[in-house]
Amino acid sequence: EDQVTQSPEALRLQEGESSSLNCSYTVSGLRGLFWYRQDPGKGPEFLFTLYSAGEEKEKERLKATLTKKESFLHITAPKPEDSATYLCAVQAVKAAGNKLTFGGGTRVLVKP
Amino acid sequence: EAQVTQNPRYLITVTGKKLTVTCSQNMNHEYMSWYRQDPGLGLRQIYYSMNVEVTDKGDVPEGYKVSRKEKRNFPLILESPSPNQTSLYFCASSWYGNTEAFFGQGTRLTVV
Repeated sequence: EDQVTQSPEALRLQEGESSSLNCSYTVSGLRGLFWYRQDPGKGPEFLFTLYSAGEEKEKERLKATLTKKESFLHITAPKPEDSATYLCAVQAVKAAGNKLTFGGGTRVLVKP
Repeated sequence: EAQVTQNPRYLITVTGKKLTVTCSQNMNHEYMSWYRQDPGLGLRQIYYSMNVEVTDKGDVPEGYKVSRKEKRNFPLILESPSPNQTSLYFCASSWYGNTEAFFGQGTRLTVV
């Protein structure tokens, strides 16, 4: 059974204080690992897809990396607008219907 | 604008009263899914559809029905809602393969 565990559950940062979010996964053949951002009362919004170990992707203050067992989302010099819940999900090679298996998310609060 | 639209956004109903949550996408995606999001359990797939008239169960299908008569629409039907179906529901759509899923804004359902 595919599993995704995210840590920490919650993270409080001062503006400018860089940090990393962890996503550990087990999957029967990885098709892709996805990072999403979710704001309160809204649906998840796509950030990145990573396909193979060693791959990295960046977008503004966010950088996602992937190994064979985990992914990290690095937030560099965060701003208050980066406050959100960050969701990690995996898609298995055999995933029926493009099914995504999600972790519980990390709630990030960036204080000015 | 590419989007997935769900209606209603909020719904309070009573046990046993049939309801339908609508979902429509304007991106001509083949794949559509329904997820529910619960605290501590993350997002879990309820049903999915790979194309018109092709649907199948996800991880938590009990108590739900779906239909896909048109490519753009994928309604979620609760024939006899129960309190344990109180949750936040998301519709998602995507192209075939390891591409990102686009999510709707969510429907917060309360069954009393």
